[in-house]
Formats: sequence, structure tokens, C-alpha cells
Amino acid sequence: QLVLTQSPSASASLGASVKLTCTLSSGHSSYAIAWHQQQPEKGPRYLMILNSDGSHSKGDGIPDRFSGSSSGAERYLTISSLQSEDEADYYCQTWGVFGGGTKLTVL
Amino acid sequence: EVHLVESGGGLVQPGGSLRLSCAASGFTFSSYWMSWVRQAPGKGLEWVANIKQDGTEKYYVDSVKGRFTISRDNAKNSLYLQMNSLRAEDTAVYYCAREVRTTTRYFDYWGQGALVTVSS
Repeated sequence: QLVLTQSPSASASLGASVKLTCTLSSGHSSYAIAWHQQQPEKGPRYLMILNSDGSHSKGDGIPDRFSGSSSGAERYLTISSLQSEDEADYYCQTWGVFGGGTKLTVL
Repeated sequence: EVHLVESGGGLVQPGGSLRLSCAASGFTFSSYWMSWVRQAPGKGLEWVANIKQDGTEKYYVDSVKGRFTISRDNAKNSLYLQMNSLRAEDTAVYYCAREVRTTTRYFDYWGQGALVTVSS
């Protein structure tokens, strides 16, 4: 069964970088995943599609501060030069399955 | 620019019905699979249903099978979700989302959501 696992929370300081992780369940380590951002009281926003080789393609208007990488069954979202508006929930998703989301706090 | 705008949400009693609509613009609606995704209060995202470009294939999460029906009108660039026999656990914000199918299936555009509250 396909399961995506995310840490419930993360925090980092304004201007710093943070790396969020999404782990694919056993047998699904080659899957591409999408990252979505959901700011408070807003609908989700697509950030990027991330392949198993680390190549990724971002959505319209997504800043260069957002990047993706992969290692084995893990898919990463790195946000550099953190800004206050990056405080949000981040979800990974593939084949109609969502991770539980990571709540990012910008200190 | 792609826009997805949901409407039709509201308060409904348990056992009641509601029909959500999603108006699409800025892209060739008839060329894409479309989905409904929901989010219960304080919870994560859950895919609910999707429909093929021509409406010939429809899929549902187990918890709504037999109660919800997804449909589309390509001439009107619109997606619908008919929700019957509603339960308290169906209370959520419902999002319309455009699907992309490559080596996986993912959502690249989302609407702003429609709140459905099931309560007596």
C-alpha cells in the first residue's frame, strides 16, 4: 500500500533554509511526487513535481528559493532565504495519496 | 491564467444532499482529468473523486462510493460533485483540482474551496 510519511512540524529562522522530507513506503521508492503549499486559511498551491532522480519542474510563479531533491525513497523540499509568508503547511502527494503534511513555522 | 472557482457549499442536515460546482477557465477543460479533494477541519488533504476528460471513467474514495457522484460538462467548462446521504464526517472544505498524468498523477491547479457543513 502506497503511504507518504511526513514529519508533523518543522521550524527555521527568518532568512535561513529548511529541508522538508517526504518518505515513500516500501516498494514505491521510484515514484515521483508533487509538493503543495497551503498558507493559513487558503487553498493549496502546487509547488513542483519531483522525480526519483531529483529532477523537478516547478509550477507557475514559484520562486527560485524553492527546490527539490531525492535520495532513495525520500523526497525533499528545500526552502532557502525563508520569508514570513513561507509559514504554511506543506503536503507531498502522488497517485491521489497525500502525506499528512508538515507545518512549517518561521521563527 | 488558470482559474478554478467552486460554489454550492453550505450547511446541510445529516442525510441531506448538496451539489458542488467548479467553474474552470484559462485552459482547455476538456483535455484534463479533474478531481475533487477535501479537507476536514484541522485535518490534511484527502482525494475524493476524479473523472476522465470525456466523463467515461470515474473513481471514488471508498468512504463516498454510492453516495457521491462526480460529473462534468465540457461545453460549460464545469465540474460537479453531487453529494447525497451526507454524514457529519463529510464536513470539509472541498477543492476542485486539475490533474496531470505523467509517470504519476498529481494536481497542478487548485480552486479556493467550498465549505460543506453537515450538522443538525
